[in-house]
Amino acid sequence: DVKVTQSSRYLVKRTGEKVFLECVQDMDHENMFWYRQDPGLGLRLIYFSYDVKMKEKGDIPEGYSVSREKKERFSLILESASTNQTSMYLCASSFVGRTNEKLFFGSGTQLSVL
Amino acid sequence: DQQVKQNSPSLSVQEGRISILNCDYTNSMFDYFLWYKKYPAEGPTFLISISSIKDKNEDGRFTVFLNKSAKHLSLHIVPSQPGDSAVYFCAASGVNAGGTSYGKLTFGQGTILTVHP
Repeated sequence: DVKVTQSSRYLVKRTGEKVFLECVQDMDHENMFWYRQDPGLGLRLIYFSYDVKMKEKGDIPEGYSVSREKKERFSLILESASTNQTSMYLCASSFVGRTNEKLFFGSGTQLSVL
Repeated sequence: DQQVKQNSPSLSVQEGRISILNCDYTNSMFDYFLWYKKYPAEGPTFLISISSIKDKNEDGRFTVFLNKSAKHLSLHIVPSQPGDSAVYFCAASGVNAGGTSYGKLTFGQGTILTVHP
């Protein structure tokens, strides 16, 4: 079974802190993604990566950056956390190729910024 | 600009009856559609998908219908069971102007399905 592991289930941070969310996948997937889930807004794509050291902005990248130094690991960074970044953060991975674009998700990190 | 829309925030059905969840999209470049199910405190899990070359795909109790001309898809669950109670997300993917997909999905807002015993 594919496993996508997010380092924390719950995080509480202060406004202005730098926050790191870590994600590791064990299926040698090329693509990795960070989404956030908010009530009434669904899942919105923050950033994605299709290869090591490659990254692309999603729909809501402002206030975030990412790092992918190794194929299995994709980190989301909140440079200076703000209260409007309180959300559920979901990491996902997938194979390259249009024959199977199924994403595999981690369990999520519920981040609260106070 | 919500390119994938699920206009019903919630749906309540009786056990054994049919559940129909709806989804509309606006981007004509979308050519692959998926449904995900999400339980509280868990990540979304893949349920069923359909390519734009088809108009129906069935997997057990779950059937997805695609109407390309209306840019509309629906998920039918028959018969519904209490364990189906979850949030259901519709998602879509397509190629960009350069013909590349990267596998990124655009999601709808989700519909909370409650199946009563």
